[in-house]
Amino acid sequence: EVQLVESGGGLVKPGASLKLSCVASGFTFSDYWMSWVRQTPGKTMEWIGDIKYDGSYTNYAPSLKNRFTISRDNAKSTLYLQMSNVRSEDTATYYCTLLGAGYWGQGVMVTVSS
Amino acid sequence: DVVMTQTPPSLSVAIGQSVSISCKSSQSLVYSDGKTYLHWLLQSSGRSPKRLIYQVSNLDSGVPDRFSGTGSQKDFTLKISRVEAKDLGVYYCAQTTHFPWTFGGGTKLELK
Repeated sequence: EVQLVESGGGLVKPGASLKLSCVASGFTFSDYWMSWVRQTPGKTMEWIGDIKYDGSYTNYAPSLKNRFTISRDNAKSTLYLQMSNVRSEDTATYYCTLLGAGYWGQGVMVTVSS
Repeated sequence: DVVMTQTPPSLSVAIGQSVSISCKSSQSLVYSDGKTYLHWLLQSSGRSPKRLIYQVSNLDSGVPDRFSGTGSQKDFTLKISRVEAKDLGVYYCAQTTHFPWTFGGGTKLELK
């Protein structure tokens, strides 16, 4: 059974940094592109970006490219999202997804507030 | 970015009725490989999204055939026949043809 378990969320102050993790199981992690998607409190879905199976290539939503970095550790079957200089509009639930196969994690909430 | 417009934003339905949800894209979703990467997701209350249909009309494993997807180019429809209580929630269309991937605004399916 495919499982994607996110962690690392919480309450952070504007301008701070935060790193989310997603541990994958139930499939060969190193064979798949992985994505991050976020959902705002108003339920709008926004794709953040994705990373190639070997970590050699990433794509990002242009509006987030300068502040968010996606990486992975295939030895640990773990996907990461490094968020820097966070803003109030980054408040959302962040999902780790195996988009091509239709699998989503349970999500982790990030709240940016002073 | 490709804008995905879903209508209606909400639907009230009685159990056993059939409903349709429309999703229109601002550009054709046909990729250079000839495939159309338009998908449908359901997010039940308090849960993470679950994909129901991929590439316009292919049902994911375990999805009942009461669900069907049709359409081409820029115009797509999700139909749910004989709605059951477990079908309630928010439906999203999503495209993975053009970067950045984008989602529709959602259609909330509620009980009448």
